[in-house]
Amino acid sequence: DADVTQTPRNRITKTGKRIMLECSQTKGHDRMYWYRQDPGLGLRLIYYSFDVKDINKGEISDGYSVSRQAQAKFSLSLESAIPNQTALYFCATSSDTSYEQYFGPGTRLTVT
Amino acid sequence: GQSLEQPSEVTAVEGAIVQINCTYQTSGFYGLSWYQQHDGGAPTFLSYNALDGLEETGRFSSFLSRSDSYGYLLLQELQMKDSASYFCAVRDPRAGGNKLTFGTGTQLKVEL
Repeated sequence: DADVTQTPRNRITKTGKRIMLECSQTKGHDRMYWYRQDPGLGLRLIYYSFDVKDINKGEISDGYSVSRQAQAKFSLSLESAIPNQTALYFCATSSDTSYEQYFGPGTRLTVT
Repeated sequence: GQSLEQPSEVTAVEGAIVQINCTYQTSGFYGLSWYQQHDGGAPTFLSYNALDGLEETGRFSSFLSRSDSYGYLLLQELQMKDSASYFCAVRDPRAGGNKLTFGTGTQLKVEL
């Protein structure tokens, strides 16, 4: 089984809809991250969390919110989706003793 | 802030050696990481340099010069499966060094 899983893997939604992307991990890591990837722009950090009670904004948090329901689960919500949020979204985890981040398989989101 | 520059595309032939450069401008610096991403897949960690010099892991090596704010990834004995995007990323000293800022990526095409 994969260490970091994301659901759904693909999603098409309409402008104005609320959508939640979910991330689960079995690595036992405290630190979790949400990134967005657009062609030619690399990976940009949306939100990150270093433990269950810790939530921090990344460089592009506007229009997004997150919830850390448990050590293993970190959800990303788009309250009212807009077309420029069409992108590939990755969840990642890391331990507090390592610089390596482990990425999930990604969610391809299309907002029409 | 943090900014990183890398070439957008590099082409090389199978069996050759290729170097992917990364220059960075940061307000603080812990180290430079490299990640590989096959088309649409999850980024995977390749290497990390915190100190000046060369780190070698099999066919891949990574180099860092902190005084020049410069690093590179060296891929030897290129194989077709090395065709992928390669991202450099700096560890941001804010948030204890667990935040990563990624470059925009270099697409490597390996030809016969």
